[in-house]
Amino acid sequence: RKEVEQDPGPFNVPEGATVAFNCTYSNSASQSFFWYRQDCRKEPKLLMSVYSSGNEDGRFTAQLNRASQYISLLIRDSKLSDSATYLCVVNLFNDMRFGAGTRLTVKP
Amino acid sequence: GAVVSQHPSWVICKSGTSVKIECRSLDFQATTMFWYRQFPKQSLMLMATSNEGSKATYEQGVEKDKFLINHASLTLSTLTVTSAHPEDSSFYICSARVSGAAAYEQYFGPGTRLTVT
Repeated sequence: RKEVEQDPGPFNVPEGATVAFNCTYSNSASQSFFWYRQDCRKEPKLLMSVYSSGNEDGRFTAQLNRASQYISLLIRDSKLSDSATYLCVVNLFNDMRFGAGTRLTVKP
Repeated sequence: GAVVSQHPSWVICKSGTSVKIECRSLDFQATTMFWYRQFPKQSLMLMATSNEGSKATYEQGVEKDKFLINHASLTLSTLTVTSAHPEDSSFYICSARVSGAAAYEQYFGPGTRLTVT
């Protein structure tokens, strides 16, 4: 089983749609969790951290369920500029482990 | 702040030659730097963890004699791909962790695209 698993997509959605990405991780000792965004041929950039209580940053909401070892990212009111690959990242003892990413394309 | 640069951004080389990639933290010190490789449509794969002044720790399956890592200062790590072959063609990304900071205070360089012909 992979350490961090994501649905690779692609997700093709119209502007204004709400889209959700899921991620599962295998090691229950994982300590912290993040969503990164990676544009084509660019480096990943931190989008947001994920907390058990859930956290929101504008149109983005992240949730963590430790019992199920599951992380989610919800994007509301999608914009064209949201098109990218979204990487789920899990920190285990200061080792950041990346999922393969979920590709999102937002269309006009 | 927290800018990491990589040089070169793109390199094409012939099979059998060696290529050196530099990773620099421009405005912070980084005791630890990481080297990743990413093939098209695949995830970032950690190759090695580099600590300033000591030998790098390589992930399983990564040949340390082929991918030479040097982290001689708190702002510079280099990755040398020795005797490169076409299968080494990939996107190489470094990241640098702010000295003394948590794991997530890790910033990525813009990546180096290596094409071996």
